[in-house]
Amino acid sequence: GEDVEQSLFLSVREGDSSVINCTYTDSSSTYLYWYKQEPGAGLQLLTYIFSNMDMKQDQRLTVLLNKKDKHLSLRIADTQTGDSAIYFCAENSNSGYALNFGKGTSLLVTP
Amino acid sequence: EAGVVQSPRYKIIEKKQPVAFWCNPISGHNTLYWYLQNLGQGPELLIRYENEEAVDDSQLPKDRFSAERLKGVDSTLKIQPAELGDSAVYLCASSLPGTGEIGELFFGEGSRLTVL
Repeated sequence: GEDVEQSLFLSVREGDSSVINCTYTDSSSTYLYWYKQEPGAGLQLLTYIFSNMDMKQDQRLTVLLNKKDKHLSLRIADTQTGDSAIYFCAENSNSGYALNFGKGTSLLVTP
Repeated sequence: EAGVVQSPRYKIIEKKQPVAFWCNPISGHNTLYWYLQNLGQGPELLIRYENEEAVDDSQLPKDRFSAERLKGVDSTLKIQPAELGDSAVYLCASSLPGTGEIGELFFGEGSRLTVL
């Protein structure tokens, strides 16, 4: 997805917080999403945020949205080795049904 | 509840050969998607079905790719003939009516194609 940009790699120590950042371009996106892909598996929806919100918290996950700067972030508190995966940021297109994905951020959690 | 099932998981073929992928969505999910995921990239939509109707196939290379969803349940994606650049993972996803708009897609594990 050329319209959605993410950093490619992030390495953190177990127990630390992880912050994955994303920028998008479609200001008409209604929702923004974070998907997780573990090795050899399909993508799994982690969380999403409606575009009129600026924060959403779900257990260890915190999503921050800066609509003015078109910036989305995912914070994982107390990161565990099981959190190691690729995290995709996505926006919905004008049609609402087609998701534009970023290239994914590969998160490595070390003991 | 069974998730989205895809087969085969892996396929290796020589260029110019045909290949087909099959997808069985979650029961009750009317919307079915085929996505292409190249190495190191995010998924890109190829085609979206609402029941048996292809409502968005604008990104499907129609010269060599075809898809069908007879009876509005299972779907197949075919490539004929395959080219080297088709090597990728083909992901199938489905969603419940009304939830596709909020991006609640359920993905299968994908079919990894290698074209030699």
